[in-house]
Amino acid sequence: EPEVTQTPSHQVTQMGQEVILRCVPISNHLYFYWYRQILGQKVEFLVSFYNNEISEKSEIFDDQFSVERPDGSNFTLKIRSTKLEDSAMYFCASSGQGIAETQYFGPGTRLLVL
Amino acid sequence: KQEVTQIPAALSVPEGENLVLNCSFTDSAIYNLQWFRQDPGKGLTSLLLIQSSQREQTSGRLNASLDKSSGRSTLYIAASQPGDSATYLCAVLGGSYIPTFGRGTSLIVHP
Repeated sequence: EPEVTQTPSHQVTQMGQEVILRCVPISNHLYFYWYRQILGQKVEFLVSFYNNEISEKSEIFDDQFSVERPDGSNFTLKIRSTKLEDSAMYFCASSGQGIAETQYFGPGTRLLVL
Repeated sequence: KQEVTQIPAALSVPEGENLVLNCSFTDSAIYNLQWFRQDPGKGLTSLLLIQSSQREQTSGRLNASLDKSSGRSTLYIAASQPGDSATYLCAVLGGSYIPTFGRGTSLIVHP
């Protein structure tokens, strides 16, 4: 069964460093998403992406964040200058032909900023 | 701003019980509501998606209902099993196309 994959599973970085989190959505899906979950907190929406551009973004998704679909399969989240409070689990998700369809989540990348 | 609340926050039951998990939301202008399961340290697994025009969805031992006008959804788990132990999350997709999640219900089913 097709699934969303994410790499790396864990990343440790120093404050101020740039990180890139990678995702491979399900191959025929058109909508892509990033979420984060700080330990013990709710899952929070960051951004949705469709047709090579951002569809929606939350207040969390400020100028430190960017997303890209560099090729036909990968979808990346870049954090330019990480802060301690960026430590969280980051989930990628994708959905099929419409934004109101079922979203399928990847296993997540656990980011720790020291 | 949409707020999603899940009750109870935690639940511990013996195997075999039928369970009801509750989700409420403040803004009834939604496109859909999705129930997920999250195992510790893992990603989210979609269980059921109910579109705003639907009243319920069923998958195996799971049944989810939606009452949009009152801002409520319930997830019914029949004949619970230890393998059902996980955190159950509901998420609503509102008019802004931004999903809002609840904090979840942490379920333990003991043998």
